[in-house]
Amino acid sequence: DAGVIQSPRHEVTEMGQEVTLRCKPISGHDYLFWYRQTMMRGLELLIYFNNNVPIDDSGMPEDRFSAKMPNASFSTLKIQPSEPRDSAVYFCASSLANREQFFGPGTRLTVL
Amino acid sequence: AQKITQTQPGMFVQEKEAVTLDCTYDTSDPSYGLFWYKQPSSGEMIFLIYQGSYDQQNATEGRYSLNFQKARKSANLVISASQLGDSAMYFCAMREGRSSNTGKLIFGQGTTLQVKP
Repeated sequence: DAGVIQSPRHEVTEMGQEVTLRCKPISGHDYLFWYRQTMMRGLELLIYFNNNVPIDDSGMPEDRFSAKMPNASFSTLKIQPSEPRDSAVYFCASSLANREQFFGPGTRLTVL
Repeated sequence: AQKITQTQPGMFVQEKEAVTLDCTYDTSDPSYGLFWYKQPSSGEMIFLIYQGSYDQQNATEGRYSLNFQKARKSANLVISASQLGDSAMYFCAMREGRSSNTGKLIFGQGTTLQVKP
């Protein structure tokens, strides 16, 4: 079975550009999570969804960040406009009935 | 206040030996879950083991076991018979509340384990 799929795996962009990260959760999972990992702040939860509904977005840094889950098999995390301090690895994870979370391979974002 | 504390930034262990990675947590919620994840140099996060606060026995998964001491609020990961492939960063995480209430995982800062041949 396929695990969590994220695209792109690497993204290099210039400050001010819009960035869209994509995630396909494991089929049948009802929870989806977006995390950010940096050396300084470690792993931080940005937002999570249950049955496609955002439940907690308190970790979203600011209005430049937005996330959507239009259906059970797809989610996006958008940064507009991007800034150098957004450079990080962004992970998507999914779980069934809020048990253990399975992570995707991550997207390494570099904002120049 | 730190909710998850991993006090060992780095650890070394000889191949085939056992190693314990420390994790302490802070919560006033009687219902919580504790998780350990492994992150090798390739970057992916791999789920290892789970312990629920009401579980009577310590969790075990193959060479991984969790030394759960509720009164001391510690959930140390024990890896037996270390292998070179165990070299990675290890994260302890906690979820407060019953699983139906919240999905938020709080992660510790991680411990880097290096297994020496």
